[in-house]
Amino acid sequence: QPVLTQPPSVSAAPGQKVTISCSGSSSNFVNYYISWFQQVPGTAPKLLISDNNKRPSGIPDRFSGSKSATSATLTITGLQTGDEADYYCETWDGSLSAILFGGGTKLTVL
Amino acid sequence: QVQLVQSGAEVQRPGASVKVSCTTSGYTFTSYDINWVRQATGQGLEWMGWMNPDTGDAAYAHKFQGRVTMTRKTSTNTAYMELSNLGFEDTAVYYCTRGGDFDFWGQGTLVTVSS
Repeated sequence: QPVLTQPPSVSAAPGQKVTISCSGSSSNFVNYYISWFQQVPGTAPKLLISDNNKRPSGIPDRFSGSKSATSATLTITGLQTGDEADYYCETWDGSLSAILFGGGTKLTVL
Repeated sequence: QVQLVQSGAEVQRPGASVKVSCTTSGYTFTSYDINWVRQATGQGLEWMGWMNPDTGDAAYAHKFQGRVTMTRKTSTNTAYMELSNLGFEDTAVYYCTRGGDFDFWGQGTLVTVSS
């Protein structure tokens, strides 16, 4: 069963840096782009990062993405209380011809 | 500005069908696919499928094949997602989202399956 694995939760203090990992179990993980979404509870997800590391207009450069052959990482620097949200990674699985989402990571800014 | 506006909340009985609409504005409707994603309360995001508004072609996640139909009405820039034979496990918020990047999202439609 192809999955994208994220830690259930991460936390850090305001001003600090946090990283959220996304590991792929499919051999196709290496071939496709990763996107990251931020979801404040009760609202729709918002695109943060596309194509592994591209930020849409309006997304601050405190948010950055990277990807290796078997995992991807979302990095948030200069944490703010407004960054408290759930974060999801997403990619295409070529063997399933399907979009996969990670299970989500809850970020707490202490 | 790009907007995707979805239809209102629905309550349906088990075994019934629901049809959710997603009316778009601020861009050329036929230039971007529409994807549908759902989220059960307290759970993660689950992709359901996509539709090409230009051709009407659609592809569905394996889990929903046979139960979901994605269509469009180009004259009103509206996409539709119909899910049939509803079960309690289909209670969720359903989102439409634009393109392969999922760069804009509708506000979500709560579908509650209740007897």
